[in-house]
Amino acid sequence: QVQLVESGGGVVQPGRSLRLSCAASGFTFSSYGMHWVRQAPGKGLEWVAVISHDESKEYYADSVKGRFTISRDNSKDTLYLQMNSLRTEDTAVYYCAKDPRWLQFEGSFDYWGQGTLVTVSS
Amino acid sequence: DIQMTQSPSSLSASVGDRVTITCRASQSISSYLNWFQQKPGKAPKLLIFDASRLQNGVPSRFSGSGSGTDFSLTISSLQPEDFATYYCQQNYDSLSITFGPGTKVDIK
Repeated sequence: QVQLVESGGGVVQPGRSLRLSCAASGFTFSSYGMHWVRQAPGKGLEWVAVISHDESKEYYADSVKGRFTISRDNSKDTLYLQMNSLRTEDTAVYYCAKDPRWLQFEGSFDYWGQGTLVTVSS
Repeated sequence: DIQMTQSPSSLSASVGDRVTITCRASQSISSYLNWFQQKPGKAPKLLIFDASRLQNGVPSRFSGSGSGTDFSLTISSLQPEDFATYYCQQNYDSLSITFGPGTKVDIK
């Protein structure tokens, strides 16, 4: 069965960096686009970024563009989110999510990880 | 960006009730509309994709309809496990994905 397990969250000061990981199993990771979606405490869902199955394309929400970088290692079935210049408003649970479209991405999410909490605070 | 709105923002209902949640897009999104269910402390779960297609494993009491700018999610007979927050999400612009603000369904 599909499993997505995030790690790397924690407490970090404003302006610092953090890298999240998402270990995937149960499907052919290298054939699917992958997303990061976040949820601030008590708030709704916000899409963060997507990367194509072959790493050739990546797109970001305006709120993180230029600060966050999505990447993947298909040899390790792992997705990453490098977060630089963190702000207090980046505090959220970060979910990785699988796109359902094979060899493309359609912008939906058929499987989600359990999430990892990032707290940006001085 | 395409803005998504939902109504109501919350509702109270009883087991067995028929519940309908509406979602509106700021521009036409054809049928590029998905519905998610989220329970407290858990990840969202895909219920409906392409406005009306039921995700594998989702009970048939859930249904979706609509196209263009107006959509709805209906639960035909509310069950105890359905008390949760429901989000709509557009993927018409798959490079700038947006969610609705959510509708919380709780017990009357």
